[in-house]
Amino acid sequence: QQQVKQSPQSLIVQKGGISIINCAYENTAFDYFPWYQQFPGKGPALLIAIRPDVSEKKEGRFTISFNKSAKQFSLHIMDSQPGDSATYFCAASSGGGADGLTFGKGTHLIIQP
Amino acid sequence: NAGVTQTPKFRILKIGQSMTLQCTQDMNHNYMYWYRQDPGMGLKLIYYSVGAGITDKGEVPNGYNVSRSTTEDFPLRLELAAPSQTSVYFCASSYQGGHGYTFGSGTRLTVV
Repeated sequence: QQQVKQSPQSLIVQKGGISIINCAYENTAFDYFPWYQQFPGKGPALLIAIRPDVSEKKEGRFTISFNKSAKQFSLHIMDSQPGDSATYFCAASSGGGADGLTFGKGTHLIIQP
Repeated sequence: NAGVTQTPKFRILKIGQSMTLQCTQDMNHNYMYWYRQDPGMGLKLIYYSVGAGITDKGEVPNGYNVSRSTTEDFPLRLELAAPSQTSVYFCASSYQGGHGYTFGSGTRLTVV
């Protein structure tokens, strides 16, 4: 049973556009929601993360929007660049996350020049 | 500062063979994790450890074993390899549970 649903599976955006990836979760005990970026042949790397006590967090061109009542969160990449082309994973954990993160299935993002 | 080091990077096993995937971290992290990544399926937790001498099962532990004798090392053992274990395996460590994982570069395993 997948506890974090991610969409779309793949996404093509023109350079300079906004990339939007969505995730929905079921477990109301989740209290930490990170996004990871993965380039081919590499391990995932933490991009940005949010806790449910805030509705938005921004770091440079990357923004997480969080809707606690809808149990949804999304990643927005502003002014998307070809170097942003990668696979993006949303994830969630509860209670400090000692027992690990639950990941979405990933979104393959391509930024066309 | 090497971070999380995984060896080997690639391996081909025959059905029924065994092997150990090595994972070492030099950040003095207590928390360590093994995930497998299959195309279009995200990452699934195999085993995790919250400190030396302590291990626990994740979502997909069948066919695998782990040990954690030191803070630095967290090897993953495959016994009687099966084609279903063909995957990319990632080791991760963190200073605070699920927060701020550092991943290794992965081991691509093919079982034929």
